[in-house]
Amino acid sequence: GQQLNQSPQSMFIQEGEDVSMNCTSSSIFNTWLWYKQEPGEGPVLLIALYKAGELTSNGRLTAQFGITRKDSFLNISASIPSDVGIYFCAGSNYGGSQGNLIFGKGTKLSVKP
Amino acid sequence: NAGVTQTPKFRILKIGQSMTLQCAQDMNHNYMYWYRQDPGMGLKLIYYSVGAGITDKGEVPNGYNVSRSTTEDFPLRLELAAPSQTSVYFCASSYRPQSSTGELFFGEGSRLTVL
Repeated sequence: GQQLNQSPQSMFIQEGEDVSMNCTSSSIFNTWLWYKQEPGEGPVLLIALYKAGELTSNGRLTAQFGITRKDSFLNISASIPSDVGIYFCAGSNYGGSQGNLIFGKGTKLSVKP
Repeated sequence: NAGVTQTPKFRILKIGQSMTLQCAQDMNHNYMYWYRQDPGMGLKLIYYSVGAGITDKGEVPNGYNVSRSTTEDFPLRLELAAPSQTSVYFCASSYRPQSSTGELFFGEGSRLTVL
């Protein structure tokens, strides 16, 4: 089946640093999404991308839908302690079954004050 | 708004026992899902439902059953618990099919340990 390769697996950074993570696939997706999961909580949608080449920002977060439709990246600028959590990428295709949302394995972010 | 509510939050089962994880949403969403999350493995879809009375298998359905008698509720049943079912289970719902917008609303999770 389809798989997403998300990297890095984990990151330990200093408060104030910028963060970059990415997701790649051997298959084409029509939609790329980025979710954040805080400790003890369920994932929450951060950014959704629906068009190849699209660049979307949400506060200090910026995500891009790769032009090949096989990748996406998420950048976090000027990190703060509350950015701690696991970030998941997800891809989906229109017209498929309801099970067509595929999740990456996550990037665990730790921020040192 | 409560959103998606899951119970229980934690449970320890013995091998062979049965239990039901409850999930309820108050957003009038037609689409509901059950995922399991294992460390470092992301989220795997177990079962999903597109509306009351309609359910279908996801990627990892073996050992589980679901029902959807109302729009609000989507319980997940484990009939004969096995150690391989030790995991964190997340219920989610959406207004549109996840394959169209990808926006899911998740519950806080139920951590299950089978010993």
